[in-house]
Amino acid sequence: GAVVSQHPSWVICKSGTSVKIECRSLDFQATTMFWYRQFPKQSLMLMATSNEGSKATYEQGVEKDKFLINHASLTLSTLTVTSAHPEDSSFYICSARDVREGFWEQYFGPGTRLTVT
Amino acid sequence: GQNIDQPTEMTATEGAIVQINCTYQTSGFNGLFWYQQHAGEAPTFLSYNVLDGLEEKGRFSSFLSRSKGYSYLLLKELQMKDSASYLCAVQDSNYQLIWGAGTKLIIKP
Repeated sequence: GAVVSQHPSWVICKSGTSVKIECRSLDFQATTMFWYRQFPKQSLMLMATSNEGSKATYEQGVEKDKFLINHASLTLSTLTVTSAHPEDSSFYICSARDVREGFWEQYFGPGTRLTVT
Repeated sequence: GQNIDQPTEMTATEGAIVQINCTYQTSGFNGLFWYQQHAGEAPTFLSYNVLDGLEEKGRFSSFLSRSKGYSYLLLKELQMKDSASYLCAVQDSNYQLIWGAGTKLIIKP
């Protein structure tokens, strides 16, 4: 099956610093990647959708200048949390989809747990 | 607006059967997914329904009625490892996934 990796799996950073999270599709080409955030005991919240080679589409209420998304290749997307604050502490999950396959399943990465102190 | 409803929490006994319901109202429909999510982990794919009827996959089955905006996930021969949250998600006309809040399933011995 399709595999999506995320790095790092967990990170602790100080308030005011920036953190970059990588999402890679390992055995398929991801034309579309999604970034989600999940707070404890809550459902997934879609932050943005990115298509390879174009700008990400952000959901309402998500600050594009704070959450920088780059999808430079068909196998890699990055999310950078800039000037992180404790309220940004959350579980960040990426997913990837190859629409050319004609099947619309999203394959999820294992997630990155971010703690901002 | 778009809306996915599923029960917040359910409890069942090991070895039994449980049915988790999901109702939806979305702008367009391009399939319904069920995912399983264990605490602290990312969701894993369970099933995909785009046509009416029942899809069976081992101990898990998923049913869809598009006219009723309704789906259910049926889990048979429950095992302790089935304790998890089960997420219902509908793909809308833009092929965007709209997520339910998830149903936390607690299995008791």
